[in-house]
Amino acid sequence: NAGVMQNPRHLVRRRGQEARLRCSPMKGHSHVYWYRQLPEEGLKFMVYLQKENIIDESGMPKERFSAEFPKEGPSILRIQQVVRGDSAAYFCASSPSNRGRGEKLFFGSGTQLSVL
Amino acid sequence: ELKVEQNPLFLSMQEGKNYTIYCNYSTTSDRLYWYRQDPGKSLESLFVLLSNGAVKQEGRLMASLDTKARLSTLHITAAVHDLSATYFCAVDKGPNFGNEKLTFGTGTRLTIIP
Repeated sequence: NAGVMQNPRHLVRRRGQEARLRCSPMKGHSHVYWYRQLPEEGLKFMVYLQKENIIDESGMPKERFSAEFPKEGPSILRIQQVVRGDSAAYFCASSPSNRGRGEKLFFGSGTQLSVL
Repeated sequence: ELKVEQNPLFLSMQEGKNYTIYCNYSTTSDRLYWYRQDPGKSLESLFVLLSNGAVKQEGRLMASLDTKARLSTLHITAAVHDLSATYFCAVDKGPNFGNEKLTFGTGTRLTIIP
């Protein structure tokens, strides 16, 4: 059973370009979370999605950032017109539909975004 | 707003010694998690603690939860070099509170010195 798959592993963009980060959850998982980690810091929640629905986007910047989790295909985190401050590691995590019993979140290997 | 604080932020310890990492959180929460992260890697789940007084052990690591004090500890026994990593605690309020996102602590960078 493959884990949470993220690609690309590393992404380099120039200021003003768009960045697209992909996340395929574990098989059987229908909940996806995106987190951002700045150097030497903990992970900060960005957005929580279920299939075709955004459940909680309270951690998403108001502009330039968007996320989706379509019925078919991976979840996408999209950053438009990137700036140097967007440079960070972006982690995706997935979980089963029911976490009432405290199931763990499983994290992908992350995408390291570098903005030149 | 839920806040999670860890201390210490940095910890250097000799092999064979014991030490404890502390995790405090600010509001009532259902569940507490401990994760390990090696440099440049993803997070590895260590423990999930669900109730007051919960204690879990895996090898040289033991985690406990006191929900009344809003405190969790990660105790390291007879440290070995392989335990060098950054350790994060994280809290969520669970589906009963309608909020399943994790709030992470700042992390504790642990370095084990031979």
